Amino acid sequence: QKEVEQDPGPLSVPEGAIVSLNCTYSNSAFQYFMWYRQYSRKGPELLMYTYSSGNKEDGRFTAQVDKSSKYISLFIRDSQPSDSATYLCAMSAGQAGTALIFGKGTTLSVSS
Amino acid sequence: DAGVTQSPTHLIKTRGQHVTLRCSPISGHKSVSWYQQVLGQGPQFIFQYYEKEERGRGNFPDRFSARQFPNYSSELNVNALLLGDSALYLCASSFYTGASNTGELFFGEGSRLTVL
Repeated sequence: QKEVEQDPGPLSVPEGAIVSLNCTYSNSAFQYFMWYRQYSRKGPELLMYTYSSGNKEDGRFTAQVDKSSKYISLFIRDSQPSDSATYLCAMSAGQAGTALIFGKGTTLSVSS
Repeated sequence: DAGVTQSPTHLIKTRGQHVTLRCSPISGHKSVSWYQQVLGQGPQFIFQYYEKEERGRGNFPDRFSARQFPNYSSELNVNALLLGDSALYLCASSFYTGASNTGELFFGEGSRLTVL
């Protein structure tokens, strides 16, 4: 079992739809949870950052972490064509020298 | 403010050759990490450097090496290139201070390596 599982999609939605992206993980030591957005042929950019369990909202984006279920989600409201990208979940246990573990990424396409 | 800068952006090598990739972190960041991203996969951790010392290493062969300079820039070297080394090599810098790794990384655009 991989440490982080993410459905690669692709996911296609019409403009204005609500999008739900998810990841599951197996390592209970993970404490820091992130979502990165990666446009084609670009480096990933940090979208949302959450420490431990709970929700975090930033504009049209909401990140949720459920440590008891080892499950994290990213919701995008009122999706726009500019949201078309690959979304990578990532997590870290936080110890010095440890890596950020990424999911495979989910490719999202929002059509106008 | 300049973000993380990487060079070269694209390069083509043949099997057995050597490659050097370069990275300049965001001003004020003292930690640099390298990741390999194969097409269709998430980035995989190769190295983390902080204050010129290696602080973490992923599951990559000894053909991969790196170093960090006094100005916090970094180089990734790959020897004896294999076809499977074809990937996007990402450099990321962070506020890491030598204690906990909170994971907030700021990535560059990457160096796309093709090995023929």
